[in-house]
This record gives sequence, structure tokens and C-alpha cells, in this order.
Amino acid sequence: GAVVSQHPSWVICKSGTSVKIECRSLDFQATTMFWYRQFPKQSLMLMATSNEGSKATYEQGVEKDKFLINHASLTLSTLTVTSAHPEDSSFYICSARDLKTGPEKLFFGSGTQLSVL
Amino acid sequence: DAKTTQPNSMESNEEEPVHLPCNHSTISGTDYIHWYRQLPSQGPEYVIHGLTSNVNNRMASLAIAEDRKSSTLILHRATLRDAAVYYCILRGSNTGNQFYFGTGTSLTVIP
Repeated sequence: GAVVSQHPSWVICKSGTSVKIECRSLDFQATTMFWYRQFPKQSLMLMATSNEGSKATYEQGVEKDKFLINHASLTLSTLTVTSAHPEDSSFYICSARDLKTGPEKLFFGSGTQLSVL
Repeated sequence: DAKTTQPNSMESNEEEPVHLPCNHSTISGTDYIHWYRQLPSQGPEYVIHGLTSNVNNRMASLAIAEDRKSSTLILHRATLRDAAVYYCILRGSNTGNQFYFGTGTSLTVIP
């Protein structure tokens, strides 16, 4: 099956620094990737839709200047949390669609636990 | 986006069938019904999806009501590895084929 690799698995950073999270589709091409965040014991919240070669589409209430998304190739999307603060601490999860299987399935990465001190 | 309603939690004994319900009374004609599950500290994984007809795969079965306002995910024999949060999601082409997760059902499997 299609594999989505997310790196790092966890990261601890100081308040005010920026953190980059990578999401790669290892064995398929993905024109569209999605970024979610999840707080403890809560559901996944869609943050943005990342389209290869174009600007990301952000969900209402998500600050695009704080959560920078780049989707430069068909296999890589990155999420940069800029000037991170403790309230940004969360579990961030990316997902991708395989061009061949179409919109029916999303393949998810294993997530990144971000802790901001 | 059309919403789904699921019980917050359910329990099942190991090796017994589990029926996880989902209500989606505002579903539109083009919305697909998807089920994903999430194990602790992991990303969700695909379980099954359907439009109108019941569906079976190696993981589970999906029973869809005739009016499509509800559906049931059926795990035929629950194992301890099936303990997870199960999400019922509606995917529609009019919402960009995006997946909006609801609250899900936390399934506990009792040995």
C-alpha cells in the first residue's frame, strides 16, 4: 500500500523558534496533501490543503503566515510553524492522495508531536 | 460540510462482532461515506468506504441504510488490535473532496 513518511516524529523547541515538518509520499505521487492538527483526546482538525506547484488553501481560522506550507514536488510537502508558542504544541499529521487511486483514500503519515517550551 | 454523529465510546468483547453506528442525516446525494480508524499516537488509516450499496473488504463491512442517513461499520471478530478511535466521515465533491473528521467512537476491546 501507499506509504506516507512524516519527519520528525517528535520535536521540542523553544518559544519563538520555527519548526519544519516534512511529509513525503514514498511510493506514489500526490498532487494534493492535507495537514491536520490534533490536540489530546480531540479529533483531527483540517488546517490546510496543499497543492503541488500552487499556494495552499487554508481553513477558516488558520493563520497562513504562522503555518507556512510548501508543496514543491509531487512527493514532498512541508509545514513550517513560525515563531512557535506553547499553544502551538500539538500533534500534526499530514495525509496524501495517490493520483492512481483517486480521491477515495487518504494515506496518513504517522504524525509529529510538537512541544513548545 | 455535512456532519456525522457517532457515540463517544463503545466496548466489545474480544472475538465478538462489533457494530459501530454513524448518523448522517444531512448527507447529500454525492457524498461518500468513509471510515477511518486511529490507533494511539498514530495517523489514521483507511478502513472502508461506500456510496449506496453495502461494502465488504478484508478489514470490515459497511452497511448503508436505504435512505443513506445512517451507516454501520461492522467488525466481524474484534481483536485487541482493533482498539482505536473510529471516524465516520462524509466526503463530497462539492467540498473539494476534503475529509473533515468528527468526534469519532473510541472502541475498547475487552479480552
